[in-house]
Amino acid sequence: KQEVTQIPAALSVPEGENLVLNCSFTDSAIYNLQWFRQDPGKGLTSLLLIQSSQREQTSGRLNASLDKSSGRSTLYIAASQPGDSATYLCAVLSGSARQLTFGSGTQLTVLP
Amino acid sequence: NAGVTQTPKFQVLKTGQSMTLQCAQDMNHEYMSWYRQDPGMGLRLIHYSVGAGITDQGEVPNGYNVSRSTTEDFPLRLLSAAPSQTSVYFCASSYNQGQTEAFFGQGTRLTVV
Repeated sequence: KQEVTQIPAALSVPEGENLVLNCSFTDSAIYNLQWFRQDPGKGLTSLLLIQSSQREQTSGRLNASLDKSSGRSTLYIAASQPGDSATYLCAVLSGSARQLTFGSGTQLTVLP
Repeated sequence: NAGVTQTPKFQVLKTGQSMTLQCAQDMNHEYMSWYRQDPGMGLRLIHYSVGAGITDQGEVPNGYNVSRSTTEDFPLRLLSAAPSQTSVYFCASSYNQGQTEAFFGQGTRLTVV
């Protein structure tokens, strides 16, 4: 059974800092990995999608990497801003059901 | 561009009552799914559908029923609500059997008393 772990569970940083969120998964037979953002009381917003054949994806200040063989992904956020405060979720797509398996998330607070 | 629309946003049910959570998408996505989100448990897959007329069970299907009569709609039915079904429910859709970006609705917060 696929399991996804995110470290740290919570992170508080001052504005302007660069930061890294970590995600690990147990079964490397994945189709893709997706990073989402969730604001309190809201739905999930897709940030980046990395196909299993890719090593990284970039969007603005966000960069996500994937090392499928070691079962790891990182989300790098450059020059963090208070508006980046949210919970960041990592999910891997795997199995015959094409199921997204989610981590429990990293709750990020960027202090002004 | 509405994306994925869920209704209602909030609902309180009494134990034993039934109800249907609605989900509609306007992106012509073939793949739709329902998740529940509980504290400390993350999001877990309830049911999914790879196209109209085709549904299958996910990780936690007990107590829920789904159907997919059209590409656009994927309702989730609670047959006899139980307090253990208190949760936030999310509907998601994507193109190409989930292998592309997933779009989520805003969620339905359900409380069963």
